[in-house]
Amino acid sequence: AQKITQTQPGMFVQEKEAVTLDCTYDTSDPSYGLFWYKQPSSGEMIFLIYQGSYDQQNATEGRYSLNFQKARKSANLVISASQLGDSAMYFCAMREVSFLRGGNQFYFGTGTSLTVIP
Amino acid sequence: EAGVAQSPRYKIIEKRQSVAFWCNPISGHATLYWYQQILGQGPKLLIQFQNNGVVDDSQLPKDRFSAERLKGVDSTLKIQPAKLEDSAVYLCASSQEGGLSSYNSPLHFGNGTRLTVT
Repeated sequence: AQKITQTQPGMFVQEKEAVTLDCTYDTSDPSYGLFWYKQPSSGEMIFLIYQGSYDQQNATEGRYSLNFQKARKSANLVISASQLGDSAMYFCAMREVSFLRGGNQFYFGTGTSLTVIP
Repeated sequence: EAGVAQSPRYKIIEKRQSVAFWCNPISGHATLYWYQQILGQGPKLLIQFQNNGVVDDSQLPKDRFSAERLKGVDSTLKIQPAKLEDSAVYLCASSQEGGLSSYNSPLHFGNGTRLTVT
């Protein structure tokens, strides 16, 4: 089974509008972290926002917020007031604790390509 | 703080040649990762180090890929001999910890090395 599922290969949004990028995850561990990364066409991976499995409130970072629904195992990214510079690939990721390995591992989704239209 | 440094930025080689990539993580980061990202896909973990020990290399094609992290700091990833399907971006990332309590530590990525095998 996929650890991280992003079902939207591509999304379009009008400038200044809000957009939601979907992410669902699969884990049986109680402790895990969820992350969103932005990858512009230049290639670097930029960390945007983090949500912990025990966090009661949804994470927010400026125009980014994470809609965390633990029972549904979803961690959608909401970008408010879209800007042209938001056009990029967006990856959802999960850090899962592995007691067997004595450490943890990052899993990435396949990404969503967001295009902001002027 | 200085970010993750990678070199070279671009590399073009012929199949069956060898190539090496270098990574210097953020100072003090114990965990270092090498990812392969094929165009249009999410990053795929090749190898994870904690200090200078290997935590996970289950997806490293060991017949042609090798990696080392001497003294728990810099790391090199080598491909010998290269195949056409190795054309990808190779991303190095580091994080502060990789243990059981660090599920909230994000990965910090370098700019990557874009490898083209002809």
